[in-house]
Amino acid sequence: ETGVTQSPTHLIKTRGQQVTLRCSSQSGHNTVSWYQQALGQGPQFIFQYYREEENGRGNFPPRFSGLQFPNYSSELNVNALELDDSALYLCASSSRIADTQYFGPGTRLTVL
Amino acid sequence: GESVGLHLPTLSVQEGDNSIINCAYSNSASDYFIWYKQESGKGPQFIIDIRSNMDKRQGQRVTVLLNKTVKHLSLQIAATQPGDSAVYFCAELLHQAGTALIFGKGTTLSVSS
Repeated sequence: ETGVTQSPTHLIKTRGQQVTLRCSSQSGHNTVSWYQQALGQGPQFIFQYYREEENGRGNFPPRFSGLQFPNYSSELNVNALELDDSALYLCASSSRIADTQYFGPGTRLTVL
Repeated sequence: GESVGLHLPTLSVQEGDNSIINCAYSNSASDYFIWYKQESGKGPQFIIDIRSNMDKRQGQRVTVLLNKTVKHLSLQIAATQPGDSAVYFCAELLHQAGTALIFGKGTTLSVSS
């Protein structure tokens, strides 16, 4: 098991609502990356945070936003939820930007 | 043991066989590659990594081979066990817009005893 934790484990929302997912990085890790994994697919990069600043972003709309806190924990916020946002959201932490990323267990989001 | 030359979405082997899972990556500039194992309902678990200045790296029961000429990775699992049953993903680290892991198509490994 990695030291990366995520909450909540599961979440059900309705279309148009907003959601906040949380991630605690492994001790000593200052970089957090978020991924979306649709059923049967590989994870897709959403964005990365390094020392509280966004360090890069994948092909996701602005309604996906994030934060990183001084203790390097992170939040992923999704506004105006759509049915296609239903997925497993994964957080990964690393000790440096270009180092191995270790994943948490994920948050399963269902949008009805 | 069972081996595949091209990526296949599923691979079925008997316990004790050697397994080989193949993966093609997309970016010639990628310099770091990782294999992850993902069990049902869990996040991806790090197995082994390799940097582009190497062509082979061994771990416990696993070996990763890198062929940069054809942009191909393989994961070899020796003496495959039922606990190895999972989906396996290769990932390349892309240094564009941050450092994103780009995942290949997964291979579902099923091990029967």
